[in-house]
Amino acid sequence: GAVVSQHPSRVICKSGTSVKIECRSLDFQATTMFWYRQFPKQSLMLMATSNEGSKATYEQGVEKDKFLINHASLTLSTLTVTSAHPEDSSFYICSARDEGSAVETQYFGPGTRLLVL
Amino acid sequence: QKEVEQNSGPLSVPEGAIASLNCTYSDRVSQSFFWYRQYSGKSPELIMSIYSNGDKEDGRFTAQLNKASQYVSLLIRDSQPSDSATYLCAVYTGGFKTIFGAGTRLFVKA
Repeated sequence: GAVVSQHPSRVICKSGTSVKIECRSLDFQATTMFWYRQFPKQSLMLMATSNEGSKATYEQGVEKDKFLINHASLTLSTLTVTSAHPEDSSFYICSARDEGSAVETQYFGPGTRLLVL
Repeated sequence: QKEVEQNSGPLSVPEGAIASLNCTYSDRVSQSFFWYRQYSGKSPELIMSIYSNGDKEDGRFTAQLNKASQYVSLLIRDSQPSDSATYLCAVYTGGFKTIFGAGTRLFVKA
């Protein structure tokens, strides 16, 4: 299957700082990537849909000025958590859609665990 | 509102038994259906996809799709403790999004 990477896998930061998470599709091009957040023992929550070359589409209740998404190329999307606070501590997971395949399949990255102190 | 419903579980089965996971969806124009496995603390991993009515088998996994009844299921034969995870059903209806269910937790007892 297609491979999606994320970097970093784990990050600890101080409250008020910004953190950037990268998501890369390694062996396919992805016009569309997705960013999810998952709190312990809870379901995946879609935060936004990232579209190459255009603005991201945010889900209701997700602050677009706090969670900045950039999808500058067909293999890279970034999520920046600005002015992070302890309540932003979570597991952030990206996924990418392999649109070169016959079916619209989403593949997930390994996730980034963010801890804000 | 497009929805994908799963029983949250936990579903507990003994080792060697068949685990049956079910999912229903509300949008009749849904095209593609996926099962993902998520181990605790890890991201989801695609294990099966199915697009046509009927059964699709891959090793110990069988996906079943019934579009008339709007349900899709996953059977795991000869369940192993390593199959213990949360299983997510996902439905693609066209456009940008794939809709995910909340997942069913499966425990396989040794």
